[in-house]
Amino acid sequence: EAGVAQSPRYKIIEKRQSVAFWCNPISGHATLYWYQQILGQGPKLLIQFQNNGVVDDSQLPKDRFSAERLKGVDSTLKIQPAKLEDSAVYLCASSLYGTGGYQETQYFGPGTRLLVL
Amino acid sequence: QKEVEQNSGPLSVPEGAIASLNCTYSDRGSQSFFWYRQYSGKSPELIMSIYSNGDKEDGRFTAQLNKASQYVSLLIRDSQPSDSATYLCAVMSGTSYGKLTFGQGTILTVHP
Repeated sequence: EAGVAQSPRYKIIEKRQSVAFWCNPISGHATLYWYQQILGQGPKLLIQFQNNGVVDDSQLPKDRFSAERLKGVDSTLKIQPAKLEDSAVYLCASSLYGTGGYQETQYFGPGTRLLVL
Repeated sequence: QKEVEQNSGPLSVPEGAIASLNCTYSDRGSQSFFWYRQYSGKSPELIMSIYSNGDKEDGRFTAQLNKASQYVSLLIRDSQPSDSATYLCAVMSGTSYGKLTFGQGTILTVHP
């Protein structure tokens, strides 16, 4: 079974530029998550999708971050314009049902390392 | 108070020793508790999950949960150098299924 795929793996941009990340979850997984992990910290949930609907985006900085999951499969996360403090690893995860129960396992992709100069 | 707090590291133990990792959480309604291992430059990997009070053992790993004390721990017996990684405690709310809140992580180093 293929895991969660993400691209690109690394990205370097200058502040005020825009950037987009892509995620393809494990086949058949209904729920997709985007996390931000700043160096030395644990991952922080940015947004959670159930199929193509948003379940939780309470910690997404909506003035600069946006995400979509068209057709309930792939997802993109965009930052526009980027700030220095956005430098982090952006992790995508998926789970089979997500909101269906409390014993769900989340599987993480390899992440995208973003450096904003 | 942080929602999920882990014992400050880094933690260094000799090979063959028991490594003890601790985590406290603030949401009394939390139902699910997870330990993830993250090697440097890699993504988190689930190693243990626990849902009810008591101990849960899986090989060299034992997770312990005490909901009354809002405390969860991970014991690694017979620690190996390959166990050297950052260990993340994650808690799932009882009202927002799927939403994980992570601690800051504890760096474990097992030296030969």
